[in-house]
Amino acid sequence: AQSVSQHNHHVILSEAASLELGCNYSYGGTVNLFWYVQYPGQHLQLLLKYFSGDPLVKGIKGFEAEFIKSKFSFNLRKPSVQWSDTAEYFCAVNAVSGTYKYIFGTGTRLKVLA
Amino acid sequence: SAVISQKPSRDICQRGTSLTIQCQVDSQVTMMFWYRQQPGQSLTLIATANQGSEATYESGFVIDKFPISRPNLTFSTLTVSNMSPEDSSIYLCSVAAGWAMNTEAFFGQGTRLTVV
Repeated sequence: AQSVSQHNHHVILSEAASLELGCNYSYGGTVNLFWYVQYPGQHLQLLLKYFSGDPLVKGIKGFEAEFIKSKFSFNLRKPSVQWSDTAEYFCAVNAVSGTYKYIFGTGTRLKVLA
Repeated sequence: SAVISQKPSRDICQRGTSLTIQCQVDSQVTMMFWYRQQPGQSLTLIATANQGSEATYESGFVIDKFPISRPNLTFSTLTVSNMSPEDSSIYLCSVAAGWAMNTEAFFGQGTRLTVV
């Protein structure tokens, strides 16, 4: 069965600091990988996605993520965070074959101090 | 992309009653899912809604408690039956848009349920 783990549950940063959020998944087959963001009071929005090709993917708002297959990881990064990045971030995977269901990690709550 | 409308957006219900949540999508989609997001927690997949057949439930969720219908490619309902305060949560409908399997999941605003 698929599973996703996010190591950081709460992160507090000052503006302009660099961000890296860890995500590891467990699944033996080929997966698609996603990062979603949920701003306070809003619904989930896609930040970026990886299906195949270049393992370094760029998303919206200056976010990027790197897929390292050997480590089953898909860490999210941003070189300089802003106060408006305060939100909850979820890593998700879905298997390319089989049930195609999307499995989410436990989420990381990011607070950026102005 | 896909635009998802969920009704109701919120409700307060008495324990022992049932609530049916509707999910309408603006285009035909292959995959529809129902998730639960309890306060301060992540999304837990309840089931995959299959068009024209019984839903596929995840471990810990059963049809008697969470019956799901999906009569066509744009609509699904989730019923939360015989509710207890532990069912208080946000229930989310999600879809994978279009016909390709390499696609992201889209979410609506969800239904905030409080059981008293």
